[in-house]
Amino acid sequence: SQKIEQNSEALNIQEGKTATLTCNYTNYSPAYLQWYRQDPGRGPVFLLLIRENEKEKRKERLKVTFDTTLKQSLFHITASQPADSATYLCALLSGGSYIPTFGRGTSLIVHP
Amino acid sequence: DVKVTQSSRYLVKRTGEKVFLECVQDMDHENMFWYRQDPGLGLRLIYFSYDVKMKEKGDIPEGYSVSREKKERFSLILESASTNQTSMYLCASSRPGTWQQETQYFGPGTRLLVL
Repeated sequence: SQKIEQNSEALNIQEGKTATLTCNYTNYSPAYLQWYRQDPGRGPVFLLLIRENEKEKRKERLKVTFDTTLKQSLFHITASQPADSATYLCALLSGGSYIPTFGRGTSLIVHP
Repeated sequence: DVKVTQSSRYLVKRTGEKVFLECVQDMDHENMFWYRQDPGLGLRLIYFSYDVKMKEKGDIPEGYSVSREKKERFSLILESASTNQTSMYLCASSRPGTWQQETQYFGPGTRLLVL
């Protein structure tokens, strides 16, 4: 069965460092991969999308990579700030589908 | 900006009550979704709709029904609430075929407690 894995343990880092979150998947051939941010008690907010033929995507301090051979996406936040503390969800979509499959998310805690 | 609103942020109901959760989006999106989110289980799709009066079951439809009489509004109904339906309920919408490729826009969520 299709499976998406995100580290269930919280990632704790110091302010100013680069945070790297991982999304691994099996039994899936996604055409697109999305990353969302979710704050406690709130709905997820879309951050970035990367297509299967793209290796890397950037937006301000955010960078996403997508390796279809390794079946993995990495999500980086450079120069992290306490305000970046949240849960980050990855979501995969097959081509032609409008229903994403979400990972369970990884909590990021940035310490001042 | 896309705005998705949900009728209540917090709701407390008794076992056996009929519960209505309403969701409204203001961007003319065709697709609308209801999820529930529980600790350790992530987001689970309950129902979705790709057009007015159309509905499709998601992964966990049991105990729920939905209604979409107007494009902007998607309602989730718990016919007879049970304690195992205590959860955070999230509504989302999306527009098919856009360059953003099915970006989902979520509402703020309704935290439902069934006693």
